Amino acid sequence: GNSVTQMEGPVTLSEEAFLTINCTYTATGYPSLFWYVQYPGEGLQLLLKATKADDKGSNKGFEATYRKETTSFHLEKGSVQVSDSAVYFCALSKDTGGFKTIFGAGTRLFVKA
Amino acid sequence: EPEVTQTPSHQVTQMGQEVILRCVPISNHLYFYWYRQILGQKVEFLVSFYNNEISEKSEIFDDQFSVERPDGSNFTLKIRSTKLEDSAMYFCASSERADQETQYFGPGTRLLVL
Repeated sequence: GNSVTQMEGPVTLSEEAFLTINCTYTATGYPSLFWYVQYPGEGLQLLLKATKADDKGSNKGFEATYRKETTSFHLEKGSVQVSDSAVYFCALSKDTGGFKTIFGAGTRLFVKA
Repeated sequence: EPEVTQTPSHQVTQMGQEVILRCVPISNHLYFYWYRQILGQKVEFLVSFYNNEISEKSEIFDDQFSVERPDGSNFTLKIRSTKLEDSAMYFCASSERADQETQYFGPGTRLLVL
């Protein structure tokens, strides 16, 4: 079935470090891919998305490229800030007879000043 | 920017009691969803709803759960007889179309069953 696997956390970085959070997916056909962010005590916010192969989603300095050949959608940011500390969820959405979003387990990011 | 809203933000209930979680989806959206997130775990799909019918439901969504769109704006999740393991954050989401459209999530209701 459809699934998402992302790197386990927590990830701890110093401010201004480079961030990569790996995400791979399993799906037939062409799902849409998403990164959601959950700040402490808050709900899910859509961070970025890509709907077809080679698309790059970007927002707030974060970016991810839809790689069909490697079934990956890794999240990157060139210089993290303390305010980026949150849990990041990779997800996919695909028609399976209904539509639902399938989430990875989440990766907690801590950024130290 | 339009957003999905949920009430209450927190609810504490006794085991065996009924709870109703409320959501107001984005006004022109047609597809509605409930998800839950047990503390520290992944977000799990519960149910999708379209045209006043359940489109799909997960194995979690057993007979204790029901959904309803009682009027033109609200979308509710009812848990008939709560269990301790129902304690979780419940997220409502909506989308304009079904074809791989982005789902917009509400802020969640944190349910604690004692």
